[in-house]
Amino acid sequence: NAGVTQTPKFQVLKTGQSMTLQCAQDMNHEYMSWYRQDPGMGLRLIHYSVGAGITDQGEVPNGYNVSRSTTEDFPLRLLSAAPSQTSVYFCASLTAGGPEAFFGQGTRLTVV
Amino acid sequence: GESVGLHLPTLSVQEGDNSIINCAYSNSASDYFIWYKQESGKGPQFIIDIRSNMDKRQGQRVTVLLNKTVKHLSLQIAATQPGDSAVYFCAEIETYNFNKFYFGSGTKLNVKP
Repeated sequence: NAGVTQTPKFQVLKTGQSMTLQCAQDMNHEYMSWYRQDPGMGLRLIHYSVGAGITDQGEVPNGYNVSRSTTEDFPLRLLSAAPSQTSVYFCASLTAGGPEAFFGQGTRLTVV
Repeated sequence: GESVGLHLPTLSVQEGDNSIINCAYSNSASDYFIWYKQESGKGPQFIIDIRSNMDKRQGQRVTVLLNKTVKHLSLQIAATQPGDSAVYFCAEIETYNFNKFYFGSGTKLNVKP
């Protein structure tokens, strides 16, 4: 049972490039979320999904898109990378009844 | 990747001592609180949760206390071990909406052997 798998683990982008961070879970969880973590701060919610075909914005959605075509996958797309998007990104999944969220290992993204 | 830790408050304790990590929350409508542990290079891991209608909950070597009057949450770790060294975050949830966790900024726990 792999849990929540994120790829890649590390990525360097140039300003203006686009890319997709992948997230997959094998626990059949309804809920999935993306967070970013910056130095000295807690995790902040970017986007979330309550099920396939349903997504919504979190606290800091600007510059990111998501889609949820299957229960298992929840990719995060950076449309035009900016240095302010340099961060560590975490994907999480949990059942609708909560409360335990399972997090991936994170993707460290640097935008230069 | 590395866990956040550059500018976090740090608590240093001796191995075997008890640790108390504190968290202040802001939303009086929050009705669920959760503690997470994040080791270097890993994602957060669930430790324990408490509902707003409780003031204390115990797990294995951990106790969470909730004081809604002053909006304060604490995590007590008994007989702290080197493996407890990590960054600890509290998270609050409003109206049992488990989609949205609001995390505090975290406390780094250093356990000295």
